[in-house]
Amino acid sequence: GAVVSQHPSRVICKSGTSVKIECRSLDFQATTMFWYRQFPKQSLMLMATSNEGSKATYEQGVEKDKFLINHASLTLSTLTVTSAHPEDSSFYICSARREGYTDTQYFGPGTRLTVL
Amino acid sequence: DQQVKQNSPSLSVQEGRISILNCDYTNSMFDYFLWYKKYPAEGPTFLISISSIKDKNEDGRFTVFLNKSAKHLSLHIVPSQPGDSAVYFCAASLGGNEKLTFGTGTRLTIIP
Repeated sequence: GAVVSQHPSRVICKSGTSVKIECRSLDFQATTMFWYRQFPKQSLMLMATSNEGSKATYEQGVEKDKFLINHASLTLSTLTVTSAHPEDSSFYICSARREGYTDTQYFGPGTRLTVL
Repeated sequence: DQQVKQNSPSLSVQEGRISILNCDYTNSMFDYFLWYKKYPAEGPTFLISISSIKDKNEDGRFTVFLNKSAKHLSLHIVPSQPGDSAVYFCAASLGGNEKLTFGTGTRLTIIP
């Protein structure tokens, strides 16, 4: 099956610091990856679409300078939360679309970010 | 504006019986629908999907029904097992666009 990993699984940081989250497709190539965040007891909200070799496409209301996305290869996308604040504390989940398997996204296990 | 809605936040079903999870959508342009299962502190796991050209898709214990006129889809799990206890999200996409719009989720609890 298609496996997507995320690292770290959880991170606690101080306010004002930056945090990088990695998303890897382990056994398939993904030209497109997606970043979501989920607040407690709420739905997954798409933050941005990450395309290998090009700039990410951000959803309305998501600050691209705060949430930096780099899709450096066909198996790796990173999300950097810059100058994190307590309101950025959330569960961040990435997904990858497997080439040749349209419309099905495979999700990573998520990263719990807590900003103190 | 919640375009995909799951009006039941929770559902309890006896083990062995049928679980029926419902999902409604407002955007008639959605043409592909998916169901995901999610455990706490984990990413969603894909379960089953259906294209708008179909009204039913079956995979083992899971069947998804689509009623386009009512803009409604449902996931049937039969027989329900304790391991099915999780939060279930329906999601929709449109016109080949890869972006998924998720519902708010339904917490399913299977009672042994």
